Amino acid sequence: GQSLEQPSEVTAVEGAIVQINCTYQTSGFYGLSWYQQHDGGAPTFLSYNGLDGLEETGRFSSFLSRSDSYGYLLLQELQMKDSASYFCAVRVGDYKLSFGAGTTVTVRA
Amino acid sequence: SAVISQKPSRDICQRGTSLTIQCQVDSQVTMMFWYRQQPGQSLTLIATANQGSEATYESGFVIDKFPISRPNLTFSTLTVSNMSPEDSSIYLCSAGQGANEQYFGPGTRLTVT
Repeated sequence: GQSLEQPSEVTAVEGAIVQINCTYQTSGFYGLSWYQQHDGGAPTFLSYNGLDGLEETGRFSSFLSRSDSYGYLLLQELQMKDSASYFCAVRVGDYKLSFGAGTTVTVRA
Repeated sequence: SAVISQKPSRDICQRGTSLTIQCQVDSQVTMMFWYRQQPGQSLTLIATANQGSEATYESGFVIDKFPISRPNLTFSTLTVSNMSPEDSSIYLCSAGQGANEQYFGPGTRLTVT
């Protein structure tokens, strides 16, 4: 089976930087993804790391260390619209994802 | 990217009845999936909808309770059968165009009374 751990909540002010950590235990690991979900909305894809290292997409970056079974999502220059839930997910097979419990990010003015 | 629509967006059903949820993708996709999500909770994979063959169910989910169809590369249905209040949840369809990226529909919010 798979298990993923991420913090349940993070609160920060506009303009700040937030790092959401994700540790995982799984067999057959292919890669780590991150999804954003606003309240009442659909999850939307943010990033994928299949190899160790940092992937940068605009204000968001994601990092993976396969040897440590660890990754993180970095949100920079926080904006109010970034208030949402963020899920890490491990790819465990042909396109199949197993999701973490999610981190609720609250951005304050 | 792929755009995914689901019908209905929400429904209130009586226990013992069945509801079929439709998922339409705007382009042909290799993989389609069905998830369940309680409000404020994580996503739990129900099954992989396979085109031309039976769906592949995850542990704890069975075909008699959640029959799935996938007649082509752009469409799938999930039926929630013989519903009970415990089936109240948000049901999400997703599609994988590439190996590492999935696109989700807006979800169907089901309440069973």
